[in-house]
Amino acid sequence: AQTVTQSQPEMSVQEAETVTLSCTYDTSESDYYLFWYKQPPSRQMILVIRQEAYKQQNATENRFSVNFQKAAKSFSLKISDSQLGDAAMYFCAYRSAYRDDKIIFGKGTRLHILP
Amino acid sequence: GAVVSQHPSWVICKSGTSVKIECRSLDFQATTMFWYRQFPKQSLMLMATSNEGSKATYEQGVEKDKFLINHASLTLSTLTVTSAHPEDSSFYICSARVPFSRADTQYFGPGTRLTVL
Repeated sequence: AQTVTQSQPEMSVQEAETVTLSCTYDTSESDYYLFWYKQPPSRQMILVIRQEAYKQQNATENRFSVNFQKAAKSFSLKISDSQLGDAAMYFCAYRSAYRDDKIIFGKGTRLHILP
Repeated sequence: GAVVSQHPSWVICKSGTSVKIECRSLDFQATTMFWYRQFPKQSLMLMATSNEGSKATYEQGVEKDKFLINHASLTLSTLTVTSAHPEDSSFYICSARVPFSRADTQYFGPGTRLTVL
């Protein structure tokens, strides 16, 4: 069974600085998708970034980028120029490309932005 | 992007009553919808996968008779918590998948907070 592990329950970063959230996963599949979701205090889940396992290039969305290490099964999220609005719970997630559409979530990392 | 709505956004009910939560895809047809439960400061736990026109697939440990799911149309899935008890109090989130797309295109609703007194 696939698992997603986020080892940092909470993190803090100074506004305008860069922070990296860690995520590791375990799977025996070769084709899958990885995601980072943001859940702000409103509780609305927002897709931040998506990575397809067959693509070697790391995904980037404006200030958000990932470091995808397939062999190491690592998928970290880097947030550059942190803003107050980035404060939220961040979930790393996995979905198989083969089977059903279930998304498996990690336990989350709460990110605090210090003004 | 696609929009998913949930209704109600919050509900308070008495113990023993049933509560229905609606999940709608507003601008696309969703053949598959998912229902999650989230306890405070915890991750999302998948409860069931709902496919239009067929019975929902429940995750292990989720009571089918307790959490009734109906996906009657391509834009609407409902979750009914039957004979609710205080331990059913939680935040319930639905998501809808855009069909015929390889990459993830699941869109999440804003959630429903259920409080059972």
